[in-house]
Amino acid sequence: KAGVTQTPRYLIKTRGQQVTLSCSPISGHRSVSWYQQTPGQGLQFLFEYFSETQRNKGNFPGRFSGRQFSNSRSEMNVSTLELGDSALYLCASSLATGGRDTIYFGEGSWLTVV
Amino acid sequence: AQSVTQLGSHVSVSEGALVLLRCNYSSSVPPYLFWYVQYPNQGLQLLLKYTTGATLVKGINGFEAEFKKSETSFHLTKPSAHMSDAAEYFCAVSDQGFQKLVFGTGTRLLVSP
Repeated sequence: KAGVTQTPRYLIKTRGQQVTLSCSPISGHRSVSWYQQTPGQGLQFLFEYFSETQRNKGNFPGRFSGRQFSNSRSEMNVSTLELGDSALYLCASSLATGGRDTIYFGEGSWLTVV
Repeated sequence: AQSVTQLGSHVSVSEGALVLLRCNYSSSVPPYLFWYVQYPNQGLQLLLKYTTGATLVKGINGFEAEFKKSETSFHLTKPSAHMSDAAEYFCAVSDQGFQKLVFGTGTRLLVSP
């Protein structure tokens, strides 16, 4: 069974540009969530999608957005990139039967903003 | 709001020694608790989780953790460290019914020969 797949794995962008990251959840998983990991702030929740609807949102500016498609695949977008957006972005998926679900993580997308 | 505190950003042990990584949580409702491990340049892998039931939880790679409500703790242990255990370990808590994890700041485990 394939795990959570994230693309691209590594990318470099310039300040002011925008970026789109993609995530394919484990087959059958309906919930997809995104996390940002930085040395200074650690692991922080961005948002969670279920059945194409955003159910939870973390404390990030509106430049961070996401969406989920009917096949549960998800994308997140960051507009007007800032140097501080350099981070590892992790996608996670779960069956979404309740909080006791196991949440599985992908390998992440490393974003460097220069 | 839920939160997790991991004591010690770095823990060093010798190969074969006991591993003890500390985690304390704060939650207004009965928590679901998790330990994840992250190897360099990789994502997070679940070691174990506590939801309800038995308070001593066994996970992968010989790790286990005990949920102690009176101490609001969920410490991770392994009787005998192996070189391959060197990694960063994260404790996390989630609200019941919500797919959102709140992570601690992580503990880097160093294992020396």
